[in-house]
Amino acid sequence: GAVVSQHPSRVICKSGTSVKIECRSLDFQATTMFWYRQFPKKSLMLMATSNEGSKATYEQGVEKDKFLINHASLTLSTLTVTSAHPEDSSFYICSASPASGPQETQYFGPGTRLLVL
Amino acid sequence: KQEVTQIPAALSVPEGENLVLNCSFTDSAIYNLQWFRQDPGKGLTSLLLIQSSQREQTSGRLNASLDKSSGRSTLYIAASQPGDSATYLCAPPRDDMRFGAGTRLTVKP
Repeated sequence: GAVVSQHPSRVICKSGTSVKIECRSLDFQATTMFWYRQFPKKSLMLMATSNEGSKATYEQGVEKDKFLINHASLTLSTLTVTSAHPEDSSFYICSASPASGPQETQYFGPGTRLLVL
Repeated sequence: KQEVTQIPAALSVPEGENLVLNCSFTDSAIYNLQWFRQDPGKGLTSLLLIQSSQREQTSGRLNASLDKSSGRSTLYIAASQPGDSATYLCAPPRDDMRFGAGTRLTVKP
């Protein structure tokens, strides 16, 4: 089956530093990848849609300069949280849609837990 | 592990009909349950979030109910419109997000 990995699975950083999270589709090519944010015990919210080779589309209220997304290849998208602050602490999940097959298919990564001190 | 099942897998109705989508989950120890909508090629759009202490939540023509004891949630769509055509997913938000296959809804004009 289709597998999506995320790295790192958990990261702790100091306030003011930047953190990069990688999302990889391991056995398929993904033209589109999605980034979600999940607060503890709360809902999953879409942050942005990333299409290979083009700029990401951000949802309303998501700061594009704060959350930099790069989708340089069909198997890799990265989310960089710039100048992280404690309020950025959250669980970040990516998903990927295969280049072939039903467009509504999404495979989710295991998530990355970010803690900003 | 949480397993989520949605019934029916697909549903086609004429415009104007009221309809019910069903969601069942195996682990009743959930904090809340969320219903999403997915359009082809798009990310998941959150529709409704029901807190574990609530029994239902309403937004416009949508009403979602939650019965934790039986592990079930339903999404009621009133007066369906062609624009409602999409795949609907439910899931208890948690670390290892597990979605069912969803219900693909088609509303015909």
